[in-house]
Amino acid sequence: AQSVTQLDSQVPVFEEAPVELRCNYSSSVSVYLFWYVQYPNQGLQLLLKYLSGSTLVKGINGFEAEFNKSQTSFHLRKPSVHISDTAEYFCAVSDRGNTGKLIFGQGTTLQVKP
Amino acid sequence: EAGVAQSPRYKIIEKRQSVAFWCNPISGHATLYWYQQILGQGPKLLIQFQNNGVVDDSQLPKDRFSAERLKGVDSTLKIQPAKLEDSAVYLCASSSLGTDGRYEQYFGPGTRLTVT
Repeated sequence: AQSVTQLDSQVPVFEEAPVELRCNYSSSVSVYLFWYVQYPNQGLQLLLKYLSGSTLVKGINGFEAEFNKSQTSFHLRKPSVHISDTAEYFCAVSDRGNTGKLIFGQGTTLQVKP
Repeated sequence: EAGVAQSPRYKIIEKRQSVAFWCNPISGHATLYWYQQILGQGPKLLIQFQNNGVVDDSQLPKDRFSAERLKGVDSTLKIQPAKLEDSAVYLCASSSLGTDGRYEQYFGPGTRLTVT
């Protein structure tokens, strides 16, 4: 079984500042890792995913994440945030079987202040 | 291509009433998922269909929740009778095999259910 822990429920940050949203996972098998973003009253949109290969993954909207197997982490970063990045961010894992079933963390609210 | 469609977007009912949600996946997507997202939590998978067959319904409260996907396209999720703790956003997602050899899920906007 897998589980995901997002270490911060809320992250306030000023516009143009860097941000890191933390995610740790637990699994007895190899996993795929994902970050999704959810804007108010909308569904989830995939930001980026780690399947294999390079541990640094680049996604949409200038976000990137680094997979660290020894620390079982997959933290999301952006060097300079915009007001429009204000949203809920979810880290998720799935096993490497092909059912596609996702296990989500509880979410981190990113609030970008002017 | 059109995205995943869900209706209604919002629903308010009293406890012990019944409610149904509808989902139309992206055309050609064989796999369909229903998730429950309680306020302040991440989405939790309720049921997964592959065409019109159930792949995983281990977390579906079968005493009150039911889902079907007749003809392997549209799906409905029903709650009968509803409880206060069923207040949540119900997300539908569908997936197809991507170029990386795995399924990528596309989410609908969700139905926000309030049980009073």
